[in-house]
Amino acid sequence: DTEVTQTPKHLVMGMTNKKSLKCEQHMGHRAMYWYKQKAKKPPELMFVYSYEKLSINESVPSRFSPECPNSSLLNLHLHALQPEDSALYLCASSQDQGSSGEETQYFGPGTRLLVL
Amino acid sequence: AQSVTQPDIHITVSEGASLELRCNYSYGATPYLFWYVQSPGQGLQLLLKYFSGDTLVQGIKGFEAEFKRSQSSFNLRKPSVHWSDAAEYFCAVGAYSGAGSYQLTFGKGTKLSVIP
Repeated sequence: DTEVTQTPKHLVMGMTNKKSLKCEQHMGHRAMYWYKQKAKKPPELMFVYSYEKLSINESVPSRFSPECPNSSLLNLHLHALQPEDSALYLCASSQDQGSSGEETQYFGPGTRLLVL
Repeated sequence: AQSVTQPDIHITVSEGASLELRCNYSYGATPYLFWYVQSPGQGLQLLLKYFSGDTLVQGIKGFEAEFKRSQSSFNLRKPSVHWSDAAEYFCAVGAYSGAGSYQLTFGKGTKLSVIP
């Protein structure tokens, strides 16, 4: 089973709202990722967690706050977002964070976010 | 730094025709190569990957890809396209960044349209 689940599927929020995106995997993977994807563009890496610790933050604005409560769960907390943050947010996981180079990332279905 | 080029932004083929999507990469060491497919509004699904060994790799849905080191290419092929293959296709290379972290670098994608 290579399933990564994400909730909610769609989210509409105002610029003053606080919301959270959730990602879950039960494959025993120890690396989890958040990507942002704008229309007609490839995914852009935002954050990487390795063994529940934040290992990469690609200079993402502080209005995005990731959290990894345990090895199966990854959250992305959203606060005071801007309309330009509207995008598809993808979660992915892999066995490890590339200790051998032979790592495969498996993606969830994404959360479609609209900021009004 | 690694990079991926997908020269074709949009390709249209007739159902039943053969398909080849081009991918060229730039990376100084052994590349770890992937093809993902994305249907509209969905996440990325792994089609196939190349780490080492046989340079012709088979994937899901009847797709295959051939790694050619001399041409720095990893082209995706399918002998007979089905209407359900219409989607966006992303080629990616997995590599270590300068900071020692392992990341996927995506091409800009090729949109495939299928004429019935």
